Amino acid sequence: KAGVTQTPRYLIKTRGQQVTLSCSPISGHRSVSWYQQTPGQGLQFLFEYFSETQRNKGNFPGRFSGRQFSNSRSEMNVSTLELGDSALYLCASTSQGSTNEKLFFGSGTQLSVL
Amino acid sequence: GENVEQHPSTLSVQEGDSAVIKCTYSDSASNYFPWYKQELGKGPQLIIDIRSNVGEKKDQRIAVTLNKTAKHFSLHITETQPEDSAVYFCAASIYSSASKIIFGSGTRLSIRP
Repeated sequence: KAGVTQTPRYLIKTRGQQVTLSCSPISGHRSVSWYQQTPGQGLQFLFEYFSETQRNKGNFPGRFSGRQFSNSRSEMNVSTLELGDSALYLCASTSQGSTNEKLFFGSGTQLSVL
Repeated sequence: GENVEQHPSTLSVQEGDSAVIKCTYSDSASNYFPWYKQELGKGPQLIIDIRSNVGEKKDQRIAVTLNKTAKHFSLHITETQPEDSAVYFCAASIYSSASKIIFGSGTRLSIRP
């Protein structure tokens, strides 16, 4: 069974640009969540999607948005990039997103903003 | 909101010895406490978890203990091996979703040969 797949693995952008990251969950999983990982702030929850609807949201500005498609694949978008957006962006999936389940992470997309 | 503190930030132990990582949480309503291991270039991987109705859980060389009164939980790795070298994160959650969990700041564990 394939794991959580994130593309691309690496991205370099400049300030002011926008970026779209992609995540394919484990087959059969309907809940996809996104995390930002930085050396200074650690792992922070961005948002969770379940059945194409945003179900939970972390404390990030509106420049960070996402969506989920009918096949459960998810995309995350960051507009008007800032230097502080440089981070490893991780996607995770579960079947239903309930606390009885384990969270499976992808290897992440490393975003560098210059 | 929930806050999770993790200590130490770095830990070096001799191969074969035990390693202990400790975490405290702030919200007494937290009821789910997973531990993740992150190797270089990879995403975090769940290694063990515990729920608030259990005080201890063990899986081979790994064990987790939970003290709800003190709001402490700890990870214990016995008979450490080189492949245990990684960054370990504790986490806590009070939400119905497994996704919205609050992570500790991480512990970089190094195993000396």
